[in-house]
Amino acid sequence: AQTVTQSQPEMSVQEAETVTLSCTYDTSESDYYLFWYKQPPSRQMILVIRQEAYKQQNATENRFSVNFQKAAKSFSLKISDSQLGDAAMYFCAYRQIDDKIIFGKGTRLHILP
Amino acid sequence: NAGVTQTPKFQVLKTGQSMTLQCAQDMNHEYMSWYRQDPGMGLRLIHYSVGAGITDQGEVPNGYNVSRSTTEDFPLRLLSAAPSQTSVYFCASRIAGNTGELFFGEGSRLTVL
Repeated sequence: AQTVTQSQPEMSVQEAETVTLSCTYDTSESDYYLFWYKQPPSRQMILVIRQEAYKQQNATENRFSVNFQKAAKSFSLKISDSQLGDAAMYFCAYRQIDDKIIFGKGTRLHILP
Repeated sequence: NAGVTQTPKFQVLKTGQSMTLQCAQDMNHEYMSWYRQDPGMGLRLIHYSVGAGITDQGEVPNGYNVSRSTTEDFPLRLLSAAPSQTSVYFCASRIAGNTGELFFGEGSRLTVL
């Protein structure tokens, strides 16, 4: 079974600085999708960014970008110019070929003013 | 635009009681799923469905039943609630076969005494 590992339960970053959240996954599939979701204190789950495994180019959405290393099975999220509104739980997720979407345990990000 | 609607948002049960968490979506999504979120455990998939009449088990299906009689609805049933089922439950849906972005409900907090 595929697994998703987020090794950093909590992280802190100074406002306006850059932070990278790590995610690794285990799979034998060659084609799949990876996601980062944000969960602010409101509890609502919000898609931050997605990456298709067959695309070598790293996905970017404004201040959010990923470093996708397929051979290493690594999918880290970089947040540039961190803002107070970025404080949240961040979940890495993997979509299996059978349509299941599996989540990591999450990283709680604190933004220090 | 309602999206994914979960009811109730809060529920307290006694051990052994039964209840149903309702989930409805108005986006004509084929894929629907239920997750539970526990501290330090991330989101774990309970059951999912790729279309009306089709359901399958996720990572933690024991103690839960589902059915999918219509495209719009995907109720989650607890037949005999246990304290270990105290959690926040999320229903999520998406279009089958696309890049896989999940649309989440607002969550239901269930406490079993």
